[in-house]
Amino acid sequence: EADIYQTPRYLVIGTGKKITLECSQTMGHDKMYWYQQDPGMELHLIHYSYGVNSTEKGDLSSESTVSRIRTEHFPLTLESARPSHTSQYLCASSESGRGGRNEQFFGPGTRLTVL
Amino acid sequence: GESVGLHLPTLSVQEGDNSIINCAYSNSASDYFIWYKQESGKGPQFIIDIRSNMDKRQGQRVTVLLNKTVKHLSLQIAATQPGDSAVYFCAENSGGSNYKLTFGKGTLLTVNP
Repeated sequence: EADIYQTPRYLVIGTGKKITLECSQTMGHDKMYWYQQDPGMELHLIHYSYGVNSTEKGDLSSESTVSRIRTEHFPLTLESARPSHTSQYLCASSESGRGGRNEQFFGPGTRLTVL
Repeated sequence: GESVGLHLPTLSVQEGDNSIINCAYSNSASDYFIWYKQESGKGPQFIIDIRSNMDKRQGQRVTVLLNKTVKHLSLQIAATQPGDSAVYFCAENSGGSNYKLTFGKGTLLTVNP
């Protein structure tokens, strides 16, 4: 089982609130990712990081922001939550130098509901 | 643009039967592919992967086949069990310095006892 953790697992908040979704991994992986996934749908990459102080926007535009101050920690922040942000957010990590294998390990996800 | 898609959105099988889940990809530069299993309320779990220099790879009860000619990937599950019921996703990586995965639409596998 992968050592990647997300908190909270479930969050229900009102419109306009600022929230931070936490993601931590203990595998020493240099690469981390955030995906957004609606029920029954595919995963869409919203942010990724290839190392400390490195963050990039993913393929799906998102109003969230991320930071990577420590290798093991990759939090995602929404400054002002809206109902359109309601979704499941999945964090993942991977490491370089595995002979071309880029397997990503996923956390359990945070189910966010904005009222 | 690049895309990964699945032929069948749902698949229902009897316990003990073999299951085959298919996936089409469009980026001929992709050199690495993964199958993930996602159970309800959980994050995706790695099942098996394959690099583009191979056309077949076997794991425990699972086999992945890669046909680069038609850009097709399949996952075969032998002796399907109720615990195999989940959504299955294929994902591709276009290689080089790109460590991002592109996920296809999932297939819901239901195993009937």
